[in-house]
Amino acid sequence: DQQVKQNSPSLSVQEGRISILNCDYTNSMFDYFLWYKKYPAEGPTFLISISSIKDKNEDGRFTVFLNKSAKHLSLHIVPSQPGDSAVYFCAASARVGGSQGNLIFGKGTKLSVKP
Amino acid sequence: DAGITQSPRHKVTETGTPVTLRCHQTENHRYMYWYRQDPGHGLRLIHYSYGVKDTDKGEVSDGYSVSRSKTEDFLLTLESATSSQTSVYFCAIRDSLGQPQHFGDGTRLSIL
Repeated sequence: DQQVKQNSPSLSVQEGRISILNCDYTNSMFDYFLWYKKYPAEGPTFLISISSIKDKNEDGRFTVFLNKSAKHLSLHIVPSQPGDSAVYFCAASARVGGSQGNLIFGKGTKLSVKP
Repeated sequence: DAGITQSPRHKVTETGTPVTLRCHQTENHRYMYWYRQDPGHGLRLIHYSYGVKDTDKGEVSDGYSVSRSKTEDFLLTLESATSSQTSVYFCAIRDSLGQPQHFGDGTRLSIL
């Protein structure tokens, strides 16, 4: 059963507008969440992370929000740029409990930003 | 760039042959990982290492083995490749549990 779910396989937004990518998780032991961005023929690139003790983390145009009660996180990109077009993966880990903090990934959401 | 080199970048081989993929890091990070990426599945962990000669299985370890005899190198071996192992393989490294993993650029493996 999927522990990390990205229910939207794709998302299309206009340049300059906000992109919102969503991720849900089921394991209440997860305490560290990350977003990765992937271009074709390249490896995933780390974008931003958030610890479960926070509900928001911001880095430039990228903000991640965490709602622990809903087991939901989202990535906001404002303003969206054509270079943001990529596949975005949500990942989660439990840093305690013997799992060695291994990451569990969602299936990804393909973002297309149109000029 | 995270100082991760995967080799080869592309390989085509036949069913039943042994295949070894190499991941080399220059960061002296403790943790190293092998993932596979397939359409509709995202990234799935095959094996990981938490130190020299310390390895463990991930979610999809059947048919794969690994070795880590030096900090900088993590090898993934398919003892007898099958068509179901056609995939893109990514290596990742991490310094400590509180840090993100950083990925190499992948190896595209095709098994005919």
